[in-house]
Amino acid sequence: EVQLLESGGGLVQPGGSLRLSCAASGFTFNIYAMNWVRQAPGKGLEWVSAITSSGGATYHADSVKGRFTISRDNSKNTVYLQMNSLRAEDTAVYYCVKGNGQLLIDWGQGTLVTVSS
Amino acid sequence: DIQMTQSPSTLSASVGDRVSITCRASQDVSPWLAWYQHKPGKAPKVLIYKTSDLESGVPSRFSGSGSGTEFTLTISSLQPDDFATYYCQQYNSYSLSFGGGTKVEIK
Repeated sequence: EVQLLESGGGLVQPGGSLRLSCAASGFTFNIYAMNWVRQAPGKGLEWVSAITSSGGATYHADSVKGRFTISRDNSKNTVYLQMNSLRAEDTAVYYCVKGNGQLLIDWGQGTLVTVSS
Repeated sequence: DIQMTQSPSTLSASVGDRVSITCRASQDVSPWLAWYQHKPGKAPKVLIYKTSDLESGVPSRFSGSGSGTEFTLTISSLQPDDFATYYCQQYNSYSLSFGGGTKVEIK
């Protein structure tokens, strides 16, 4: 059974940093792309970042480009999202998502990030 | 970037009704269009991928159709478990993008 367990969320001040982690199990991690998708309170889903299976290519939404960085450690079956220069509008539940190519096939339960002073 | 527009944003319907949700893309994304179901406090779940392919385990009352820039999700006979928010999503290219969502409510 695929399991994606996000951690690292919490309350952070504007301008601060946070690193999210997603521990994966139940599948061969190093052959799948991984993504982060978020949902702000009362809003819809927004794709944030993606990383290819090898980690050789990364992609970010324009809204986070230059501030967020996705990475992975295939030896630890873990994907990360480093979030810098956080803004109030980054407040959201962040989901770790396994990709089949660019299709988002398995989702974690999410971790809440709140950016507030 | 590709913009996705869903309609309606809210849909009120009764158990047994046939309902349809429309999704329009700002450019051709065919056939790379998926539909997701999202319930409060739960992880989103893929229902349909590649426009019309049913994900394993998804009931056959769900179907997808369309091409080019216009796509439709149809639920043939709405069941109590189907009241949720539905999103379309293009995966033709990064950056990936979702429609704004359609909340299906009990009438």
